[in-house]
Amino acid sequence: AQKITQTQPGMFVQEKEAVTLDCTYDTSDQSYGLFWYKQPSSGEMIFLIYQGSYDEQNATEGRYSLNFQKARKSANLVISASQLGDSAMYFCAMLRNTGTASKLTFGTGTRLQVTL
Amino acid sequence: EAGVTQFPSHSVIEKGQTVTLRCDPISGHDNLYWYRRVMGKEIKFLLHFVKESKQDESGMPNNRFLAERTGGTYSTLKVQPAELEDSGVYFCASSQGARNGFSGYTFGSGTRLTVV
Repeated sequence: AQKITQTQPGMFVQEKEAVTLDCTYDTSDQSYGLFWYKQPSSGEMIFLIYQGSYDEQNATEGRYSLNFQKARKSANLVISASQLGDSAMYFCAMLRNTGTASKLTFGTGTRLQVTL
Repeated sequence: EAGVTQFPSHSVIEKGQTVTLRCDPISGHDNLYWYRRVMGKEIKFLLHFVKESKQDESGMPNNRFLAERTGGTYSTLKVQPAELEDSGVYFCASSQGARNGFSGYTFGSGTRLTVV
């Protein structure tokens, strides 16, 4: 069974500082994908970054980077130079493809609060 | 290009009533998914359509939930009769191909359902 664990229910970070949101996963699949989504108070799920299990380099998207450590089964999100608009819920998710079907398994989320 | 559209954005109904949620995927996306987040818990997969066919409905909680995607375009999720534990946020997502999780897996803004 697939499982995503986010151990930080809440995090605080000062504006302009970097923050790391933890995510560990459990799977017996060889091929999978890891996502991070942001959910602001308005409710929509915003795609941030994706890492494929066979990607050798860590994914980066602007201020977001994914620290992928396959042997440890971790996929931490690093946000550099935090901004007030980064305050939101952050979800780590794993994509499993089984032939023509696919589904995401989500963690419970981390609420990030950026302070002045 | 228009994103994934869901409506209503909010719905408050009484226990025992029926509610129908609608999702319009991104044009051309054959894959459509329903997920939900019950208060305080993780986001969970409900089902996956490929065009009009149900590819995987293993996450549907019980037979009070009925999902349809006639013609392979928009989808509806009907809850009948609604129970208190059905309250939560229902998300729809779409993708171009089940294997192409990176570029196509886009979420809508969700429908917040409250059963009183």
